Amino acid sequence: AQSVSQHNHHVILSEAASLELGCNYSYGGTVNLFWYVQYPGQHLQLLLKYFSGDPLVKGIKGFEAEFIKSKFSFNLRKPSVQWSDTDEYFCASLNTSRIQGAQKLVFGQGTRLTINP
Amino acid sequence: DGGITQSPKYLFRKEGQNVTLSCEQNLNHDAMYWYRQDPGQGLRLIYYSQIVNDFQKGDIAEGYSVSREKKESFPLTVTSAQKNPTAFYLCASSTRDRGRSGELFFGEGSRLTVL
Repeated sequence: AQSVSQHNHHVILSEAASLELGCNYSYGGTVNLFWYVQYPGQHLQLLLKYFSGDPLVKGIKGFEAEFIKSKFSFNLRKPSVQWSDTDEYFCASLNTSRIQGAQKLVFGQGTRLTINP
Repeated sequence: DGGITQSPKYLFRKEGQNVTLSCEQNLNHDAMYWYRQDPGQGLRLIYYSQIVNDFQKGDIAEGYSVSREKKESFPLTVTSAQKNPTAFYLCASSTRDRGRSGELFFGEGSRLTVL
């Protein structure tokens, strides 16, 4: 089964700093990768996704991610962070069951991002 | 407005009691999911359903049960057999359109505390 690892549990940056959050996935055939953001104590929202094609994908709120197949990575980046980016970020991989064709999303452990003004 | 509604937002339960968390969506999505969130462990899948009257166990289904009698509704029951039920529970739904696989829409969550 595919798994997703996020090695940074808590990242603290100052406003205007550049951001890179790590995400590694285990190989499992077709790769479909996602980044979600969770607002404090609330729901998650999709930031961006990679299915195929251009390995550099752009999402909402100025975020982007690069799929590097040789490194099994899908790191999230933002050139200049804002205080409002303080949230928790989750990387996820789509698993497809061979038996039933059912698809389910597997999440990493999450990275808490704190931006100091 | 289309979306997913979870209720209650906060719930307290005594040990040994079953409790049911509600999840309703009006997005006309076929697939629905229940995740459990604990600090430092991310989201773990409890149960998921691709169509009405069908559902599959996720990674941590023990001590939980679900039903999918209607497309709009996917309630989760936390039974007394669940040894550590205190957690934040998130319901989600998605379309089964191939190009939008993995795009989940989440509810606001239900926080269950066992006293």
